[in-house]
Amino acid sequence: DTEVTQTPKHLVMGMTNKKSLKCEQHMGHRAMYWYKQKAKKPPELMFVYSYEKLSINESVPSRFSPECPNSSLLNLHLHALQPEDSALYLCASSQTKTAPFPYNSNQPQHFGDGTRLSIL
Amino acid sequence: GIQVEQSPPDLILQEGANSTLRCNFSDSVNNLQWFHQNPWGQLINLFYIPSGTKQNGRLSATTVATERYSLLYISSSQTTDSGVYFCASAGMDSSYKLIFGSGTRLLVRP
Repeated sequence: DTEVTQTPKHLVMGMTNKKSLKCEQHMGHRAMYWYKQKAKKPPELMFVYSYEKLSINESVPSRFSPECPNSSLLNLHLHALQPEDSALYLCASSQTKTAPFPYNSNQPQHFGDGTRLSIL
Repeated sequence: GIQVEQSPPDLILQEGANSTLRCNFSDSVNNLQWFHQNPWGQLINLFYIPSGTKQNGRLSATTVATERYSLLYISSSQTTDSGVYFCASAGMDSSYKLIFGSGTRLLVRP
């Protein structure tokens, strides 16, 4: 789904580095998601933002810090990652009904092409 | 939470052959999507199909919600169809959370 744009496409970082992944969509979607996908495994949900507010954190370690500065942008800040954090990170967005969260939304999620992250 | 199972796990086809991939889900669903993940990791939306039948070119999908399964049909397969096909579903009480099946890994040989 090219309507969700993720940058960078590839990232190699050391365990002491700080970096950020970026996701952008211009479909007017008010729900945005981060997923993590390990090799040969399906994607797994990490975070959900609804109307720029963090609604769901699937028990993700604090070395991953999400941020939603506006309705089109979603960032994932990385700090002190471990080698096992190497994975494909996927961003997705969907339409959603108005609050309150959790909402009953039967809308499809649209995925970006992902950032392939390697931790040295 | 909802559980999603896909079969077969692996499939090898000769170019031009047809195939059917199956997805079973454990509860009533609010969302069901089929994706194709190509060898470069891109996750491509194929169908949003919580019920009914849809067709897009050589691909079609059918979901029978009352019997909790969905089928993806690939006709006249091409080498570019190779990759992993994921079914993903969300339950009625947690429609924000897509649960992915383990995928069907498809290889189409020329």
